[in-house]
Amino acid sequence: EVQLVQSGGNLVLPGGSLRLSCAVSGFTVNNNYMTWIRQAPGKGLEWVSLIHSGGDTHYADSVKGRFTISRDKSNNTLYLQMNSLRSDDTAIYYCARVRLAAHFDFWGQGTLVTVSS
Amino acid sequence: DIQMTQSPSSLSASVGDRVTITCQAGQDIRKFLNWYQQKPGKAPKLLIYDASKLEAGAPSRFSGSGSGTYFTFTISSLQPEDIATYYCQQYDNVPPSFGGGTKVEI
Repeated sequence: EVQLVQSGGNLVLPGGSLRLSCAVSGFTVNNNYMTWIRQAPGKGLEWVSLIHSGGDTHYADSVKGRFTISRDKSNNTLYLQMNSLRSDDTAIYYCARVRLAAHFDFWGQGTLVTVSS
Repeated sequence: DIQMTQSPSSLSASVGDRVTITCQAGQDIRKFLNWYQQKPGKAPKLLIYDASKLEAGAPSRFSGSGSGTYFTFTISSLQPEDIATYYCQQYDNVPPSFGGGTKVEI
């Protein structure tokens, strides 16, 4: 059974840092494209970052230079390191698998990041 | 970046009604479009991929069509459990982008 279990969301001060985790079972993270998507309170879905199976990474302009996507083969986990956090980064963050580099087919349960003083 | 415009932003229909949502892309995205369903407090769920292919396990009352810049998503007979927000999403280009969502109510 495929499961993506997220952790790491929290309340953080503006300018602070946070690392989100997405622990995967049922498939190998390194063999798949993986992505992060976020949803601000009461708003729609916004793509954040993508990592290819080969390791190439992509970022939304709004997070480029502040966020870093990575993965750990030993514990089959996807990460999102978030630095220089701003109030407009407040959102539920979801991880997802990208099947065939195209379809977001398995999702985590989401983790809430709140950036506020 | 490719802009995705969904309409309507919300709709109200009765059980058994046929419901149609449209999604327009800012440029030709061929058939590289997905549709997702998101129920309150839950993660989105893939329903339709490649514009018209039904995801395994999704009910057959859901369908999609279109190519290029104009796409439609249809619920053939609305059920109470279909109350949700529906999003289109293109993957022809990075960054992948979502429509603004359509909230479906009964």
